Amino acid sequence: DIQMTQSPPSLSASVGDKVTITCRASQHISNYLNWYQQKPGEAPKLLIFSASRVETGVPSRFSGTGSGTDFTFTISSLQPDDIATYYCQQSDNLPLTFGGGTKVEI
Amino acid sequence: QVQLQQWGAGLLKPSETLSLTCAVDGGPFSGYYWTWIRQSPGKGLEWIGEINDSENTNYSPSLRSRVTISIDTSKNQFSLRLSSVTAADTAVYYCARGRSYYYGTTKVDSWGQGTLVTVSS
Repeated sequence: DIQMTQSPPSLSASVGDKVTITCRASQHISNYLNWYQQKPGEAPKLLIFSASRVETGVPSRFSGTGSGTDFTFTISSLQPDDIATYYCQQSDNLPLTFGGGTKVEI
Repeated sequence: QVQLQQWGAGLLKPSETLSLTCAVDGGPFSGYYWTWIRQSPGKGLEWIGEINDSENTNYSPSLRSRVTISIDTSKNQFSLRLSSVTAADTAVYYCARGRSYYYGTTKVDSWGQGTLVTVSS
C-alpha cells in the first residue's frame, strides 16, 4: 500500500493567515492526489483533485500543488468557516489511501 | 447534483455481519466505481472497496476475506456486507462516488451522510 504522510497533524492560525499543509507519498504517484475538508459530524468534502484542480464550487482561496511524492495544500486567507480537518488521498494505486489529517484551528 | 443516501443497522454484536445499502440519485450511475470508506478514531479514513455497474469489484487486501460489495443497477443502489465483525470494525461507514473510467477521473467526489456502526457485546 502507498503510505501518505501529512504534516503538521494540527495547526493554529489567525483569520486572514496563509495556511500550508504538506503531504508526502511513500512512492511516486504522479498527480493522483486529492484533498478533502471534513467538519465535525460531516462527511469529507472534495476540495482539490489531480493535485491542483479546484473542484467546482470550491472557493479560490483553496489551492494545491505538487507532483511525484511531495504535495502542498494552501489556504491563502484563512476564514472562520475553514475550521476543519484536511486530508490528502492518493488515487494512483489501489487500495486508495489517506493521510492522517491536519486539524486546522483558529 | 448526485446525492447518496445510506442506511443499515448501527449496532452489531461480535461475529455478526454488517450490512449497509446506499442509494444514488440525481446523477449517472454508469461509468463510475461506487465506493465504501470507513473512518474510525484509531485508523482514520480507510478505503474498503468499490464496484462498478458491470459488477467488477476491488477490495482492500486487509478486508478482502470478509467483504462483499454488490450492486443493483435497476434501483441505482449498491451494498456492503462485512462478515464476522469485531470491535475493531466500529467506525463511521461512508458510501461514495469514486473514480470514473468513463469520464477519466480518479476523485471521490460525492459522499453519503455516513452511518455509525458500533460492534459491542
